[in-house]
Amino acid sequence: SSELTQDPAVSVALGQTVRITCQGDSLRSYYASWYQQKPGQAPVLVIYGKNNRPSGIPDRFSGSSSGNTASLTITGAQAEDEADYYCNSRDSSGNHYVVFGGGTKLTVL
Amino acid sequence: QVQLQESGPGLVKPSGTLSLTCAVSGGSISSSNWWSWIRQPPGKGLEWIGEIYHSGSTNYNPSLKSRVTISVDKSKNQFSLKLSSVTAADTAVYYCARRDYDILTGSTLISYWGQGTLVTVSS
Repeated sequence: SSELTQDPAVSVALGQTVRITCQGDSLRSYYASWYQQKPGQAPVLVIYGKNNRPSGIPDRFSGSSSGNTASLTITGAQAEDEADYYCNSRDSSGNHYVVFGGGTKLTVL
Repeated sequence: QVQLQESGPGLVKPSGTLSLTCAVSGGSISSSNWWSWIRQPPGKGLEWIGEIYHSGSTNYNPSLKSRVTISVDKSKNQFSLKLSSVTAADTAVYYCARRDYDILTGSTLISYWGQGTLVTVSS
């Protein structure tokens, strides 16, 4: 399957922990990567592979995976984490293409 | 630090062809990466359009494949997108990007993005 499903919106109180999930058949074979996008800006990679953060990404961002579900966890959410978050993976059905989830709007209360 | 910069017309007429170019700096387009086009309609999510390797091999989104052509110009260190028979539904911010693989897991990641360019389809 070539689809990745995300909840459209999630909210979290300032300083609390939030998990954003992504479901899809391809995630049984490959880890998701995660991107943060703020209004008017290009997406930024925050998590890739098993649980890797690019340089400059705070360690409050972490990733995990189980079965067909990948999760992005923000531990101690900050006001600046309010953004859209997208997951991304390779298609696992033998077709050589890439898929994105529909995105999750994170609101920090 | 790799940088990507999109360029091209910001307005295209319906039924016409959208043409964009992505200039790559700070790295070679002949490196072992895939060079992608991704778009985002206003207020909506990301959609992968397709990609090219420096050898000229391409992969396309099946939903757009009949209308998309991606090409590479190694001499200019750039790659290009053509999308034909455009309609208002093709109005979007178009991003060029570099796609990599995580060495340990084989999973994909998009590590570098251009700033994006808005293309409006309207008469």
